[in-house]
Amino acid sequence: GAVVSQHPSWVICKSGTSVKIECRSLDFQATTMFWYRQFPKQSLMLMATSNEGSKATYEQGVEKDKFLINHASLTLSTLTVTSAHPEDSSFYICSATDRAEGEAFFGQGTRLTVV
Amino acid sequence: TQLLEQSPQFLSIQEGENLTVYCNSSSVFSSLQWYRQEPGEGPVLLVTVVTGGEVKKLKRLTFQFGDARKDSSLHITAAQPGDTGLYLCAGSTNTNAGKSTFGDGTTLTVKP
Repeated sequence: GAVVSQHPSWVICKSGTSVKIECRSLDFQATTMFWYRQFPKQSLMLMATSNEGSKATYEQGVEKDKFLINHASLTLSTLTVTSAHPEDSSFYICSATDRAEGEAFFGQGTRLTVV
Repeated sequence: TQLLEQSPQFLSIQEGENLTVYCNSSSVFSSLQWYRQEPGEGPVLLVTVVTGGEVKKLKRLTFQFGDARKDSSLHITAAQPGDTGLYLCAGSTNTNAGKSTFGDGTTLTVKP
């Protein structure tokens, strides 16, 4: 299967600071990337859909200004958590797909802890 | 909103036992995926089913897609401790390929 890499794998930051998470497709061009959030022992909740070169589409209830998504190239999407608070602590996972009918491949996730 | 309900939510069994996990929805999906996730890692794709009534086997795992493409099951034969993990089903539609609606997940613990 295709390889999707997230960086960093884990990050600890102070309240009020911003954190950027990168999602890269290593061996294919990702036309679309998806960002999910997962709380302990729960399933994945889709936050937003990111298409290369266009604005991300956010799911209902997800704050656009807080979770900034940039998909500037076919191999890289970034999620920036702005003015992070402890309640933003979670496991963030991206996935990427390379064609209209293609399945998505997941990154290994980023554990964010806001203190 | 498309919802996927998984059952059971938690399952703890002894090594060697068989088990079945169910994934049900009132919506029709063009494809359905099953993933296994270890703590602190991203989901790893086990299988994709696309045809109603389709059955796929992966060693001791058997996946079935319902005839109406609204439900699916995962059956594990002779479970082993290495099967322990979070099992997730996810459905996608043609209009939103790659965008998946995830079930609640089933946490499986296989005791030696």
